[in-house]
Amino acid sequence: KQEVTQIPAALSVPEGENLVLNCSFTDSAIYNLQWFRQDPGKGLTSLLLIQSSQREQTSGRLNASLDKSSGRSTLYIAASQPGDSATYLCAVGSGYSTLTFGKGTMLLVSP
Amino acid sequence: EAQVTQNPRYLITVTGKKLTVTCSQNMNHEYMSWYRQDPGLGLRQIYYSMNVEVTDKGDVPEGYKVSRKEKRNFPLILESPSPNQTSLYFCASSLGTGRAYEQYFGPGTRLTVT
Repeated sequence: KQEVTQIPAALSVPEGENLVLNCSFTDSAIYNLQWFRQDPGKGLTSLLLIQSSQREQTSGRLNASLDKSSGRSTLYIAASQPGDSATYLCAVGSGYSTLTFGKGTMLLVSP
Repeated sequence: EAQVTQNPRYLITVTGKKLTVTCSQNMNHEYMSWYRQDPGLGLRQIYYSMNVEVTDKGDVPEGYKVSRKEKRNFPLILESPSPNQTSLYFCASSLGTGRAYEQYFGPGTRLTVT
């Protein structure tokens, strides 16, 4: 059964710092990996989708990488801003039906 | 605007009183699913549907029912809710399944069963 782990569970940084969020998964037979953002009490906003054949995806200040063989993905956030404060969730698509989620990294960016 | 909508957004009910949470998407997506989110447990899939009249169980289906009579709608039914079904529920949809398909999530329904 696929298991997804996100480290760290919480992270606090000053505004302007570059930061990396980590995601690891146990079964490398994946279809894709998706990073989401969740604001308190709100829904999930898709940030980036990496297909299993891809190594990375970029959107603005966000860059996500995927190393399928080692079971790892990272989300890099450049020049962090207070508006980036949220919980970031990594989800692995392992088949036609299932996204397996990590428990998230809670990010706080202070002004 | 392309979106997944859920209703109601908040619901407080009592044990045993049947309820339905609706989910609708306007993107002509084939695939839809339901998740619940609980502190310390993360998001877990309840049911999914590959297309009209095609549904299957996810990781935590006990106590829930679903139906997919129309492509755009995928209601979640709790026939006899219990307090352990108190949770935050999300509906999601995608154009298809597999590598290239991104899942889109609704805003969530916070359910409390007393």
